[in-house]
Amino acid sequence: DTGVSQDPRHKITKRGQNVTFRCDPISEHNRLYWYRQTLGQGPEFLTYFQNEAQLEKSRLLSDRFSAERPKGSFSTLEIQRTEQGDSAMYLCASSLALAGTSNEQFFGPGTRLTVL
Amino acid sequence: DAKTTQPPSMDCAEGRAANLPCNHSTISGNEYVYWYRQIHSQGPQYIIHGLKNNETNEMASLIITEDRKSSTLILPHATLRDTAVYYCIGVKTSYDKVIFGPGTSLSVIP
Repeated sequence: DTGVSQDPRHKITKRGQNVTFRCDPISEHNRLYWYRQTLGQGPEFLTYFQNEAQLEKSRLLSDRFSAERPKGSFSTLEIQRTEQGDSAMYLCASSLALAGTSNEQFFGPGTRLTVL
Repeated sequence: DAKTTQPPSMDCAEGRAANLPCNHSTISGNEYVYWYRQIHSQGPQYIIHGLKNNETNEMASLIITEDRKSSTLILPHATLRDTAVYYCIGVKTSYDKVIFGPGTSLSVIP
């Protein structure tokens, strides 16, 4: 399967612990996005990368959140000192941003985080 | 990015066409109309997009009004597997961050 993959698919942690999620985009895609989705809501944009450069971060991304894409391929999203309000589905997407292309985003299956 | 307005929910009989409306009266000239859908417990899936002209692909058709203030996504023969939340989004050509609204929850009924 050559789609976007995310690991783990599910994560249960205790409040105050740190967690890290991984996203592997489609190999030739230069853009990678992170979103967060809570029950009954549409996905909320968190941040995106163009190759290894982090170009935008949402105000939703507090100081406890950090994302990296060190070699312009896979990305990690870390949440430090988790809170119950961090419980959500974390979605990763990638796209091939080229002029003249449709630039649609391909989403992974998500990582569901539960903070106890 | 343009604010879009969609009905919160719709029903459609299996085998009939599903017509999902979207209002985007503030859309700017360089914004495309994109549609995504999200089946329960899965990540969103791209369906179709357009700028001015009507578009069709293997999944759906997109009809955009001449003034570009609204559009309709058409699933020509809805099946039970089309039950999902459908999102209509305005996306600028040079910057494809996607801002999702609450979408329309489509239920296809046998």
